[in-house]
Amino acid sequence: GAVVSQHPSRVICKSGTSVKIECRSLDFQATTMFWYRQFPKQSLMLMATSNEGSKATYEQGVEKDKFLINHASLTLSTLTVTSAHPEDSSFYICSATTGSHYGYTFGSGTRLTVV
Amino acid sequence: AQTVTQSQPEMSVQEAETVTLSCTYDTSESNYYLFWYKQPPSRQMILVIRQEAYKQQNATENRFSVNFQKAAKSFSLKISDSQLGDTAMYFCAFTDQAGTALIFGKGTTLSVSS
Repeated sequence: GAVVSQHPSRVICKSGTSVKIECRSLDFQATTMFWYRQFPKQSLMLMATSNEGSKATYEQGVEKDKFLINHASLTLSTLTVTSAHPEDSSFYICSATTGSHYGYTFGSGTRLTVV
Repeated sequence: AQTVTQSQPEMSVQEAETVTLSCTYDTSESNYYLFWYKQPPSRQMILVIRQEAYKQQNATENRFSVNFQKAAKSFSLKISDSQLGDTAMYFCAFTDQAGTALIFGKGTTLSVSS
């Protein structure tokens, strides 16, 4: 079946530094990738949608300069949290799709802690 | 705007029993797709079951089945013969167009005890 690999699974960084999270589709070409943020015991909040070779579309309220998304190939999307602050600490999940309504595959998530 | 509502924040059930999780949604579209996802403590999102709105037959996957009521915009999940491994947060999700982002409900935390 379709597999999406997300790395790192956990990261701790110092306030003011940047951290990059990778989302890679291993056995299919992902025309679209989604990035979600999830707080403990809450639902997934869509942050942005990225299509290969295009600029990401950010949801209202998401700072595009803080959360940089790059979808340079059909198998790789990255989320870079720039100048991270403690309030950016959260669980980030990516999802990839081929464009078929059946093809939503999720990465295993990244727990970001900013100290 | 499309919305997905899960009105049960928490539910508990004993092993081998049956439990039903509720989900309602709001859309003006006639064709769309509905999903139930399971998120265990590992936090990996796992697809449980999916349903296309144009299909009248309710989807089933082993112990998991849905009751899809299109007119009522209801999409409940029934788990039969509950197992300890079913303990997880369950999310109902919706999309009206293939390849667009899923809209999630707030989730229901299900606890299965022995």
